[in-house]
Amino acid sequence: DGGITQSPKYLFRKEGQNVTLSCEQNLNHDAMYWYRQDPGQGLRLIYYSQIVNDFQKGDIAEGYSVSREKKESFPLTVTSAQKNPTAFYLCASSPIDRGINTEAFFGQGTRLTVV
Amino acid sequence: AQTVTQSQPEMSVQEAETVTLSCTYDTSESDYYLFWYKQPPSRQMILVIRQEAYKQQNATENRFSVNFQKAAKSFSLKISDSQLGDAAMYFCAYRSAKAGYALNFGKGTSLLVTP
Repeated sequence: DGGITQSPKYLFRKEGQNVTLSCEQNLNHDAMYWYRQDPGQGLRLIYYSQIVNDFQKGDIAEGYSVSREKKESFPLTVTSAQKNPTAFYLCASSPIDRGINTEAFFGQGTRLTVV
Repeated sequence: AQTVTQSQPEMSVQEAETVTLSCTYDTSESDYYLFWYKQPPSRQMILVIRQEAYKQQNATENRFSVNFQKAAKSFSLKISDSQLGDAAMYFCAYRSAKAGYALNFGKGTSLLVTP
């Protein structure tokens, strides 16, 4: 079945450590996105990518990094520079050749907790 | 920048009744789409309904319909014959060709459905 897979579902990190969240899609979508969700804050855009080897900062990119070496994969690294990394992280993908009317598809999310 | 505002953090409705969730947005663009997403306790994001800015006719999907008032930049969601399974967070989202077609979300409305 086509879809987006995020792993792991739960992740624990010690302060000062970098951690990488995985996002893989087999929908052949060009665009991929990372969002952060905090209670009462909705979903905020961290990074997005429209094409392999290219990505752009979203609204809250500080303390995060991404790569897009393959069309199917868009991993997010939460670095030690991120001051408050505990949150729920959602990855999404979308075709862009069909315009803005197409929906974005979401993974099931990763809950990151700093201990 | 585009902003999406959901002014109702929480709403409650009785089973079989109708409820309306509010959403306003701010944009200077003419070509955009509006979406309502549902996030149940599983935290999976599910598309409920979408509306193209150019279409005057309000979108309808079974028990879900929207009231799109373009001049007022308002996009409310009406849920008819509410069911227990409708209980979830509901997010209003805006999409244009900016920011890689990323969705721009409101902070969400938590809907409680009582028997």
